[in-house]
Amino acid sequence: QITLKESGPTLVKPTQTLTLTCTFSGFSLSNSGVGVGWIRQPPGKALEWLALIYWDDEKRYSPSLKSRLIITKDTSKNQVVLTLTNMDPVDTATYYCAHTVGSGWYYWGQGTLVTVSS
Amino acid sequence: QPVLTQSSSASASLGSSVKLTCTLSSGHSRYSIAWHQQQPGKAPRYLMKLEGSGRYNKGSGVPDRFSGSSSGADRFLTISNLQSEDEADYYCETWDSNTWVFGGGTKLTVL
Repeated sequence: QITLKESGPTLVKPTQTLTLTCTFSGFSLSNSGVGVGWIRQPPGKALEWLALIYWDDEKRYSPSLKSRLIITKDTSKNQVVLTLTNMDPVDTATYYCAHTVGSGWYYWGQGTLVTVSS
Repeated sequence: QPVLTQSSSASASLGSSVKLTCTLSSGHSRYSIAWHQQQPGKAPRYLMKLEGSGRYNKGSGVPDRFSGSSSGADRFLTISNLQSEDEADYYCETWDSNTWVFGGGTKLTVL
């Protein structure tokens, strides 16, 4: 059974850096073709893809946020970490991590709401 | 990169059928997509991958009432015998080698 769970702060101040961790089970991020990514959803709005890391450490970023994003993995811990710098109130959203084998986001975490406010 | 267009809302009666549309932007009409369902207050759930040919592969546990089809740049999700639990937001998603894109979502109301 594949599960993913996001963890991190629920409140960050403007200009701070957000660090979120996705801890997963039921698959290995060392298996060929597997990827883990991050998607966010501002309250009442649509989903927005942020970043993806593959089993071979290849990374992909949303063009609009690329300068602020870093995604890394720790295969031994079954974790993927997302860093988003220079947080702004417009970054307030529920952040999801999800699993893919290249044909859509198949398994999703429960999401974590991050609020940006002073 | 591709752009996906969805109607913002749809409605249908309990027990009836509804067909939701996701349209791929010009030059991307052959792309496969995925459909996701997001019930109120919950995380999205993968429904299916849908190819330009109309072939689709559903996720684990997705009821038979859900099916997919394609025509040109349009990708469709049909829900038959609508149930109250089908009231949700439905998102389409596509990808290429470098980016993943979601549509704006369709809010389905079951009357």
